[in-house]
Amino acid sequence: EVQLVESGGGLVQPGGSLRLSCATSGFTFSNYNMNWVRQAPGKGLEWVSYISSDSSNIYYADSVKGRFTISRDNAKNSLFLQMDSLRAEDTAVYYCARSLMIVVVSFDYWGQGTPVTVSS
Amino acid sequence: DIQLTQSPSSLSASVGGRVTITCRASQSINNYLNWYQQTPGKAPNLLIYAASSLQSGVPSRFSGSRSGTDFTLTISSLQPEDFATYFCQQSYSTPWTFGQGTKVEIK
Repeated sequence: EVQLVESGGGLVQPGGSLRLSCATSGFTFSNYNMNWVRQAPGKGLEWVSYISSDSSNIYYADSVKGRFTISRDNAKNSLFLQMDSLRAEDTAVYYCARSLMIVVVSFDYWGQGTPVTVSS
Repeated sequence: DIQLTQSPSSLSASVGGRVTITCRASQSINNYLNWYQQTPGKAPNLLIYAASSLQSGVPSRFSGSRSGTDFTLTISSLQPEDFATYFCQQSYSTPWTFGQGTKVEIK
């Protein structure tokens, strides 16, 4: 069974940092591209970042570029998101999501999410 | 960035009824359009990819179609577990973007 489990969320002051983790199991992690997607309270979904299976390609949404860093450890089947210079508008539930590449890119498995609150 | 506009933002429907949700892209995205279902407090669940392909394990009452830059998600016979919020998402170009969501409520 495919499982993605996020951790590392919490309350942080504006300007602070957090490191999110996504532990995966049930599939060959090193074969899949991965993403972070977030959802602000009561709002829609926003794609945040993408990393290819071998870390050779990385993309960010403009809203986080230069502040967030995505990475992965294929030996540990884990995905990470280093979030620096956090702002109130970064408050959201953060999901890791696996990329499915059949004809088009979609997100076929998601974790349960980890909440991040940026507030003083 | 490619904008996706869903309509309606919400709707009420009865169990057994037919539901249609539309997603309009701001430019041509070919078939690079996916649909997700999200229930409160849960992660989104992939329903349809590439505009009309049913994800494995998803009931056949869900279907998707495309006409130009307009995409449609149809639920042929609404079941109690289908009351949720539905999002479209484009993967034609980064940043990959989502529609604002359509909430389907019980009538």
